[in-house]
Amino acid sequence: RKEVEQDPGPFNVPEGATVAFNCTYSNSASQSFFWYRQDCRKEPKLLMSVYSSGNEDGRFTAQLNRASQYISLLIRDSKLSDSATYLCVVNNRDDKIIFGKGTRLHILP
Amino acid sequence: NAGVTQTPKFQVLKTGQSMTLQCAQDMNHEYMSWYRQDPGMGLRLIHYSVGAGITDQGEVPNGYNVSRSTTEDFPLRLLSAAPSQTSVYFCASSYLTGGANVLTFGAGSRLTVL
Repeated sequence: RKEVEQDPGPFNVPEGATVAFNCTYSNSASQSFFWYRQDCRKEPKLLMSVYSSGNEDGRFTAQLNRASQYISLLIRDSKLSDSATYLCVVNNRDDKIIFGKGTRLHILP
Repeated sequence: NAGVTQTPKFQVLKTGQSMTLQCAQDMNHEYMSWYRQDPGMGLRLIHYSVGAGITDQGEVPNGYNVSRSTTEDFPLRLLSAAPSQTSVYFCASSYLTGGANVLTFGAGSRLTVL
């Protein structure tokens, strides 16, 4: 089993719709979790951290399920500008940082 | 704030040539790393450093050398370029937090080896 797995997509979603995708991780001792966003031909940038209690930042909601070892990202009222690749990132206690391969999202006008 | 600065942005090499990709950060981050990104492969860690004078291998270190003589700089050297090293290279840095590192990436360096 890969350490961090994501559905590569692409997810083709009409503007204004809600979209969600998950990321699973294999190390039950993983310490912290993040979603990064990467635009085409650009560097990855932090979108949001994922807290145990779940957290929201505007239209974005991230959740962590430690029992089933997955994190999720929900985007409400999607905008054309949300089109990007979303990378799931897991940090272990030894500062090892593991990236998923990313989920591509296309918002359709 | 400059953040993480990578140079050059683009480079074309011939097989067998050597070169150095430069990375500098001005945030006093202890942790610095180099990734390569290829289509369908995601980000793969080449080398990383947890402080000046300390470096370690990542997932795909072969064909690359690094050094960390200062906190700010972490150059990546290609010793004898091969077409398989054609890729986009990202440098990233962060504070060391014992498991909650938030990486700041440079803008990337696109390397083509002919």
